[in-house]
Amino acid sequence: DTAVSQTPKYLVTQMGNDKSIKCEQNLGHDTMYWYKQDSKKFLKIMFSYNNKELIINETVPNRFSPKSPDKAHLNLHINSLELGDSAVYFCASSQGPNEKLFFGSGTQLSVL
Amino acid sequence: GQQLNQSPQSMFIQEGEDVSMNCTSSSIFNTWLWYKQDPGEGPVLLIALYKAGELTSNGRLTAQFGITRKDSFLNISASIPSDVGIYFCAGQPMFSGGYNKLIFGAGTRLAVHP
Repeated sequence: DTAVSQTPKYLVTQMGNDKSIKCEQNLGHDTMYWYKQDSKKFLKIMFSYNNKELIINETVPNRFSPKSPDKAHLNLHINSLELGDSAVYFCASSQGPNEKLFFGSGTQLSVL
Repeated sequence: GQQLNQSPQSMFIQEGEDVSMNCTSSSIFNTWLWYKQDPGEGPVLLIALYKAGELTSNGRLTAQFGITRKDSFLNISASIPSDVGIYFCAGQPMFSGGYNKLIFGAGTRLAVHP
């Protein structure tokens, strides 16, 4: 059973398109995150939700809009995709906002 | 912003050798975590450290939370081929408002030659 699952695994799209990445966790955790990993493997937090409420928003362009319909799901919608958005996006969850993270397997986004 | 300096950047070792990597910061951290990432997968937690001076083992892995709260190291003993991957340190800054703003190091890429 996958603890943190995200779809799709790979996403290839044209510049200017709008796309979404979905994430679900079955760990019963209260807090979920989106991280971006660039081509040099550097991981940086983008957003965090605790019980469906946004608690961290790390200077991410407003083309990126997270949505948490319930505490087990955190989706990421990206408008007007740009070349620089190409990266691997990881969803993660934790028991609380100050606990260790469990990561999904990532979504590799390629913008052409 | 805050940064973690992780070294070495990469290592190429023989099977059976011991490995050591570390992370340092200019600011104080409450928590240090060590993750491993395999190709095409997300980071997997190896060891979590919560107190200055804490030394914790997980099988062949040992990690320590530095006394100054500004550094941590990870040792792998008797390396095997499946140890190959990227190892990340991550720290929770002391003044992060109580929220999980883990800062990650740039990673240590480990290659093990059989």
